[in-house]
Amino acid sequence: DQQVKQNSPSLSVQEGRISILNCDYTNSMFDYFLWYKKYPAEGPTFLISISSIKDKNEDGRFTVFLNKSAKHLSLHIVPSQPGDSAVYFCAASTVTGNQFYFGTGTSLTVIP
Amino acid sequence: ETGVTQSPTHLIKTRGQQVTLRCSSQSGHNTVSWYQQALGQGPQFIFQYYREEENGRGNFPPRFSGLQFPNYSSELNVNALELDDSALYLCASSNNRGQDYTFGSGTRLTVV
Repeated sequence: DQQVKQNSPSLSVQEGRISILNCDYTNSMFDYFLWYKKYPAEGPTFLISISSIKDKNEDGRFTVFLNKSAKHLSLHIVPSQPGDSAVYFCAASTVTGNQFYFGTGTSLTVIP
Repeated sequence: ETGVTQSPTHLIKTRGQQVTLRCSSQSGHNTVSWYQQALGQGPQFIFQYYREEENGRGNFPPRFSGLQFPNYSSELNVNALELDDSALYLCASSNNRGQDYTFGSGTRLTVV
C-alpha cells in the first residue's frame, strides 16, 4: 500500500520558470515531510523539510507547501535552473515512527 | 565531518548466494537505516539500528538481516539471493529522528 504518492513521473520546465512538484499522502498520522533530490549514481540528498505545525517552509529558491486537510504537499522551485534537473522524492514520517515512506519520484528536466 | 559511506558501490551475485553490504555512519550519528530502491520506485524501508539493536523493520523477509557495531557502522546481510533482490541499497544515518537524516550513495546489487 503506497502511503506517499507522486503521480507525475516526469516534468519539463524552461529555465527561469517555476517548477511545481506534487506529492499526496494517505496517512493522517504523518507529521514530518521531506523532499530529496537524487542525481544518477548518487544517493538522495536532503533538500527541504516541513513539519505539520507549519504550512510553508522556504529555503532560497525552494519552498515547500503543506495542505494537511488535503493531505498534499508541493515543492516550488523558483527560478528553475538546469542544475535542478534530477529525480525528486517526497518522504513522510510519523512522530513515533522510525522510517520514512517515500513516493516513487518525479524526474524534473529544466530546459536551458 | 565525513558523510555516510557505503561499500561496495556495485556488486554482482548469483541467485542463491549471500551478500554483505557495509555502511559507515556520519560522524555524530548513532542510528542507521537501510532502504531498498528498486528501479523506478522510491526507497522502501528495510530496518533501522539504534545502539546496536534493531529498532523497527519494514516488510522484508528474515533472510534480510543486519548488524550495528559499537562505532555505529552497520552491515546489511541478504541470504539466498533472489533475482528480485536486484536494487540500489541505501543506508541513511541520523541522530534525531528526521533531523540530519543523511543518505549514502548506495550499493547497486545485481542478482543474476
